[in-house]
Amino acid sequence: EVQLVESGGGLVQPGGSLRLSCAAFGFTASDHYMDWVRLAPGKGPEWVGRTRDKPNGYSTEYAASVRGRFTISRDDSKNSLYLQMNSLKTEDTAMYFCARVSRSGAYFDFWGLGTLVTVSS
Amino acid sequence: DIQMTQSPSSLSASVGDRVTITCRASQAIDIYLAWFQYKPGKAPKSLISATSTLQSGVPSRFSGSGSGTDFTLTISSLQPEDFAIYYCQHYKNYPITFGQGTRLEIK
Repeated sequence: EVQLVESGGGLVQPGGSLRLSCAAFGFTASDHYMDWVRLAPGKGPEWVGRTRDKPNGYSTEYAASVRGRFTISRDDSKNSLYLQMNSLKTEDTAMYFCARVSRSGAYFDFWGLGTLVTVSS
Repeated sequence: DIQMTQSPSSLSASVGDRVTITCRASQAIDIYLAWFQYKPGKAPKSLISATSTLQSGVPSRFSGSGSGTDFTLTISSLQPEDFAIYYCQHYKNYPITFGQGTRLEIK
């Protein structure tokens, strides 16, 4: 059974850093593009970024709002991906989800439960 | 960036009703449109990809249609478990963008 389990969320002050983790179960994460998506209170979802699969060198894409502050990485030995978030702003407050991209098309086929990040002083 | 506009933002309906949610893209996205269902506290659930392809395990009362810029999600006969928030999303190019959501509530 495919599962994605996020962790690492919490309360952080503006300007601070946080690293989110997403552990994958039931499939080999390196075979898939993997994304981060966030959902802020009262807003629609916002795509954060993508890491491509191993054959594509795990190259990345980022939303303009996080480019230069957030970094997506992977650890194949742990079948996991990560979201390093630096220089956090109050507007980064959201539930952060990791999502698997289907190999048969560039859409999301599985999502995790999410982890909550609150940026506040 | 492609803007996705969903309507209505909220909808009250009864079990057994047929409901339709619309999603409009600010430019043509071919068929690169997906729908997913979200219940707070649960993992989002992918319903439809490529405008009209039902994901595995999704009941046949869900259907999607459209092309270009205008798309619809239809639930033919609402069931109690269908009351949730629905989002459309394009994946034509980067950045991927989402609609603001439609909250489907019990009347």
